[in-house]
Amino acid sequence: DQQVKQNSPSLSVQEGRISILNCDYTNSMFDYFLWYKKYPAEGPTFLISISSIKDKNEDGRFTVFLNKSAKHLSLHIVPSQPGDSAVYFCAASGLNTGTASKLTFGTGTRLQVTL
Amino acid sequence: DVKVTQSSRYLVKRTGEKVFLECVQDMDHENMFWYRQDPGLGLRLIYFSYDVKMKEKGDIPEGYSVSREKKERFSLILESASTNQTSMYLCASSLFRVNNSPLHFGNGTRLTVT
Repeated sequence: DQQVKQNSPSLSVQEGRISILNCDYTNSMFDYFLWYKKYPAEGPTFLISISSIKDKNEDGRFTVFLNKSAKHLSLHIVPSQPGDSAVYFCAASGLNTGTASKLTFGTGTRLQVTL
Repeated sequence: DVKVTQSSRYLVKRTGEKVFLECVQDMDHENMFWYRQDPGLGLRLIYFSYDVKMKEKGDIPEGYSVSREKKERFSLILESASTNQTSMYLCASSLFRVNNSPLHFGNGTRLTVT
């Protein structure tokens, strides 16, 4: 039972354009959401997060949007750069997962930013 | 910067062998986690620990055990390795027992069981 879903396994975007990565979740008890970026041969690194009390969080070129009614969040990268090429994982946590700091991850979306 | 170190980048083991994957963090973090990453399945939680000698099962604990004798070290044990345990194993740590404490990951151990 995949509680966090990333339905697009891959995405290709031109440099300078916007990248939009999507994530859906099924568990309404999730109340905190994070995005991680992973380069080959490295561990995932934390990128940006959002609490369920907000609908938007921005950090430089990265913005995360949360639509609780649709159980959907998205990561926008503007403008996209070649160094953004990586696999992006969406993750969620909440009180119902047993303990608050346990994360449930999606399957990942591979972003390729082309010149 | 937090550093999470996994002792091996690549391991090749035979079916039935006992396998130890070691992880050390240097920032006095309370929480440590073991995930495995497989294509099309994302990261799945195997076991985690919130304190020394404490462990809790994650989503896929079958075939694995863990040990946390010291705060900085969290070991994943495959008692009898099987081919379906071929995977990328990722260790992580976090500071607080709250859900806004990001995980810090090691670089992973790619295990092949033949």
